[in-house]
Amino acid sequence: GAGVSQSPSNKVTEKGKDVELRCDPISGHTALYWYRQSLGQGLEFLIYFQGNSAPDKSGLPSDRFSAERTGGSVSTLTIQRTQQEDSAVYLCASSFGPTSGSYEQYFGPGTRLTVT
Amino acid sequence: GENVEQHPSTLSVQEGDSAVIKCTYSDSASNYFPWYKQELGKGPQLIIDIRSNVGEKKDQRIAVTLNKTAKHFSLHITETQPEDSAVYFCAASGGSYIPTFGRGTSLIVHP
Repeated sequence: GAGVSQSPSNKVTEKGKDVELRCDPISGHTALYWYRQSLGQGLEFLIYFQGNSAPDKSGLPSDRFSAERTGGSVSTLTIQRTQQEDSAVYLCASSFGPTSGSYEQYFGPGTRLTVT
Repeated sequence: GENVEQHPSTLSVQEGDSAVIKCTYSDSASNYFPWYKQELGKGPQLIIDIRSNVGEKKDQRIAVTLNKTAKHFSLHITETQPEDSAVYFCAASGGSYIPTFGRGTSLIVHP
């Protein structure tokens, strides 16, 4: 079946512009995660959505970052007034989550963001 | 919170050799330990996982061992092949559904 999809695959933007990154999780997955991966680095947790619960935003690095998840499915990560240090690969993952006691995460291919 | 340490950061082996990657964790409440393989330009892919009620799990050439007392777990790859070259990440979760990842190991398998 279809996996997690993300768009765009690549995004180049100028410093100070806003960007929106999209994630389509696997159908039926109630949990959705956003991570940031800088060049050669590990995965930095950003935000976690579970069903209709309030999201866990504890990983967002600044108030320029926000995310929403509409209808319990598609999610959008928005970065306002982008800075060069925001350049990274942004990964989305989904899971069946606590409702099924499942921890297994399935990742999308990521969006490579370059801020010039 | 949870802290996961992963070693080595880079591992270079000859084709056919075994490779071992080790991780330690700090939160005794963690009970799920997955391993991910990330190829260049792709997202991480789950390759094997283990839960705290099991000490070892095998899937063909890969195996994972878990020592809950010592709070460490390891990935073992036998008969390595060039296509095993990738970055491997360990993770730990269970206290919450937000996993903590290690910093990754770049495995290079020389033909």
